[in-house]
Amino acid sequence: NAGVTQTPKFRVLKTGQSMTLLCAQDMNHEYMYWYRQDPGMGLRLIHYSVGEGTTAKGEVPDGYNVSRLKKQNFLLGLESAAPSQTSVYFCASSYIQFTDTQYFGPGTRLTVL
Amino acid sequence: AQTVTQSQPEMSVQEAETVTLSCTYDTSESDYYLFWYKQPPSRQMILVIRQEAYKQQNATENRFSVNFQKAAKSFSLKISDSQLGDAAMYFCAYRSAYVPDKIIFGKGTRLHILP
Repeated sequence: NAGVTQTPKFRVLKTGQSMTLLCAQDMNHEYMYWYRQDPGMGLRLIHYSVGEGTTAKGEVPDGYNVSRLKKQNFLLGLESAAPSQTSVYFCASSYIQFTDTQYFGPGTRLTVL
Repeated sequence: AQTVTQSQPEMSVQEAETVTLSCTYDTSESDYYLFWYKQPPSRQMILVIRQEAYKQQNATENRFSVNFQKAAKSFSLKISDSQLGDAAMYFCAYRSAYVPDKIIFGKGTRLHILP
């Protein structure tokens, strides 16, 4: 039981490049989330999903897209990376809803030059 | 809008001693959930404790307990018998019971454990 895994762990992009971050969970959780963490700040919700095939915007969705084609996977895409998107990205999942315990992945450190 | 404030950016405690991390929040909602998360150097966010606003009883998990004062909008975390492995960033978080995407994190408190 691996829990929540994220791929890749580190990435460096140039401005304008695109990339996809993959989050996978093996706990059969319905809810999945993407957060970003910036220095001196707590986590901020980017997008979330309440089930396979669904996505919704969180607090800071601009510049990101997501997809949940399979229940166990939640992808976060950056179509045209900007330096302001330099951050650590965390994926999380929970069984029922936001009030349930969220299990976090190890994070992806992204640097956009 | 809801806010979560952690007024102590850094704290230190001697090993085996007790330390309390403070968290205050502002909300007009009557039903909500509060969390403390631990983030060690490995970066992984780990749930420490969870409190439901409609429950008067303070949550407890082994050496970790909270002092939840709903009227004062205060949610402090007490760590008893501090251990070296407790060194981490601790985040307080608020989750609305009415709006599914409204999760607000504080800026965190970095806790150092002195041997």
